[in-house]
Amino acid sequence: SYDLTQPPSLSVSPGQTASLTCSGDKLGDTYTSWYQQKPGQSPVLVIYQNTKRPSGIPDRFSGSNSGNTATLTIDGTQAMDEADYYCQAWDNRVIFGGGTKLTVL
Amino acid sequence: QVQLQESGPGLVKPSQTLSLTCSVSGGSISSGYWSWIRQPAGKGLEWVGLIYTGKGTNYDPSLKSRVTISIDTSMNQFSLHLTSVTAADTAVYYCGSGGSPIDYWGQGILVTVSS
Repeated sequence: SYDLTQPPSLSVSPGQTASLTCSGDKLGDTYTSWYQQKPGQSPVLVIYQNTKRPSGIPDRFSGSNSGNTATLTIDGTQAMDEADYYCQAWDNRVIFGGGTKLTVL
Repeated sequence: QVQLQESGPGLVKPSQTLSLTCSVSGGSISSGYWSWIRQPAGKGLEWVGLIYTGKGTNYDPSLKSRVTISIDTSMNQFSLHLTSVTAADTAVYYCGSGGSPIDYWGQGILVTVSS
């Protein structure tokens, strides 16, 4: 089966850049989306089609996809960005990565 | 903006069928893709399946033998039925608009499988 691999955790200081990665064998051949989930809340789409931001998502969130790795970048990370982040792709079914817990401290 | 709301029993007995409904407002369910996702406590997101225009469906292979997703355009709702449930099916169940990506998510409903 096709898996998406994310590091379980990442810590950054406020104001720094956070780079969250998602790797998978066929990732470069398909679009990747990213979701933010804060404790007790539903996931929110923050990036789709590798690089696009939905309306209302701050422009400090950006995405890229090259080779077998997709990356969600948060520039000038803020305390409010602390959350779990999931990547997602399509391979005849929806596939989610295991998620990365981003800590801002 | 599309809004979604899950409803259904919060407790289901083992071996029975879990049935949930997602009510959609702010958009017509007659077109597009509509998804179900679940999340066990403390764990990641698990895709359950989706239904799309023309009433086609696509299910996660691990659940395919037990899952049915249906749509009621007259009520602007879609539903999830999961048969022969076990404790492993205990999770927060989310409905969502879209397939890939899932644009909007409901607030989620906790379903516990227990006798």
